[in-house]
Amino acid sequence: DGGITQSPKYLFRKEGQNVTLSCEQNLNHDAMYWYRQDPGQGLRLIYYSQIVNDFQKGDIAEGYSVSREKKESFPLTVTSAQKNPTAFYLCASIGGEQETQYFGPGTRLLVL
Amino acid sequence: KQEVTQIPAALSVPEGENLVLNCSFTDSAIYNLQWFRQDPGKGLTSLLLIQSSQREQTSGRLNASLDKSSGRSTLYIAASQPGDSATYLCAVPSYSGAGSYQLTFGKGTKLSVIP
Repeated sequence: DGGITQSPKYLFRKEGQNVTLSCEQNLNHDAMYWYRQDPGQGLRLIYYSQIVNDFQKGDIAEGYSVSREKKESFPLTVTSAQKNPTAFYLCASIGGEQETQYFGPGTRLLVL
Repeated sequence: KQEVTQIPAALSVPEGENLVLNCSFTDSAIYNLQWFRQDPGKGLTSLLLIQSSQREQTSGRLNASLDKSSGRSTLYIAASQPGDSATYLCAVPSYSGAGSYQLTFGKGTKLSVIP
């Protein structure tokens, strides 16, 4: 089955710690995205990548970093500079003739 | 900058009712519009995508319409069921420099269908 996987489902971060969220897709899509979702705020774009070894900042990139070394993988690191990291993080890719966006199941990040 | 608004933020209806969810966008120069469903604590599932050249798309009990000139889309759900309870989001794409493609989302309408 083709799709997007995210791990872990829940992640706990201690103050001052960097944590990395995994996103893998087997849809052969070039474009991948990271969103943050907070209650009542909708989805906000953190980073996106149109192609391997290239990525751009979204609306709320501060305190986050990404890499795109392989087409299938787009990990997101939440750094210690992100002072309010508690949120639901969603990874997505776009592909197909109609440019439909597909989402992973999400990772919930909590701060200890 | 594109802005997407969904009204109402929440809606509660008895089972069996037909209902309409609304989505409006400020920049009518869109290529398509996509409706998603999100269950609590889950990712988003694509329901319907309407191309800018289309006025309607149907999938089962769902019908989405698009009026680019007025900047509006509606999602019609026929004969609602408790399993339809979820948050429904609409999104429109925009292209920025170097051909990059982003979606702008509304905040969603939380639907509750009461048995």
